[in-house]
Amino acid sequence: DAKTTQPNSMESNEEEPVHLPCNHSTISGTDYIHWYRQLPSQGPEYVIHGLTSNVNNRMASLAIAEDRKSSTLILHRATLRDAAVYYCILRDNFGNEKLTFGTGTRLTIIP
Amino acid sequence: DAGVTQSPTHLIKTRGQQVTLRCSPKSGHDTVSWYQQALGQGPQFIFQYYEEEERQRGNFPDRFSGHQFPNYSSELNVNALLLGDSALYLCASSSRIRIIQGRIAEQYFGPGTRLTVT
Repeated sequence: DAKTTQPNSMESNEEEPVHLPCNHSTISGTDYIHWYRQLPSQGPEYVIHGLTSNVNNRMASLAIAEDRKSSTLILHRATLRDAAVYYCILRDNFGNEKLTFGTGTRLTIIP
Repeated sequence: DAGVTQSPTHLIKTRGQQVTLRCSPKSGHDTVSWYQQALGQGPQFIFQYYEEEERQRGNFPDRFSGHQFPNYSSELNVNALLLGDSALYLCASSSRIRIIQGRIAEQYFGPGTRLTVT
């Protein structure tokens, strides 16, 4: 499985944008970039995914570098409810459904 | 619409015992995956069930086994419990038809079962 590298922790002020980076220099052409997050005392939840183009949904935006070796999850206006561990995961879409989690980035929101 | 449910919430077992954890997938989902999450770590994939068969397996010993029922619910069994099996066990469900259709199949996770082995 291709590996991702994320900072162990980040802090951000409430109501400000947050940019969570992920490096994946060994990504293959068929790997999708997925982001999941795990709120305290809950199971992980899907946030967003992308292949090559930047993606937006109601939760976040995903900016993908042109060479696809890195990506950034953007929370446009962080709230206290966004405090969680964020996982960047590479996954192909050819029936291999397992998610390979790293240790993720623990995001702390400062009121 | 109920999401993924797991039972029990917490469980305490003694070394050497056996345990069974249960999972009901999200409505409309037919695939169940199990993950183990040790304290401070990300979840690790154990195995996945679809059409009542184990389809993929992670790097876990044979002490870990599972089952999927015709209603898509699933059980995770762990035999000969070790102290190192203490963890949060997560169940995730997804829709296989989305994969067949060439679409991304997000996994929906339950809240987990906290297993403590003493």
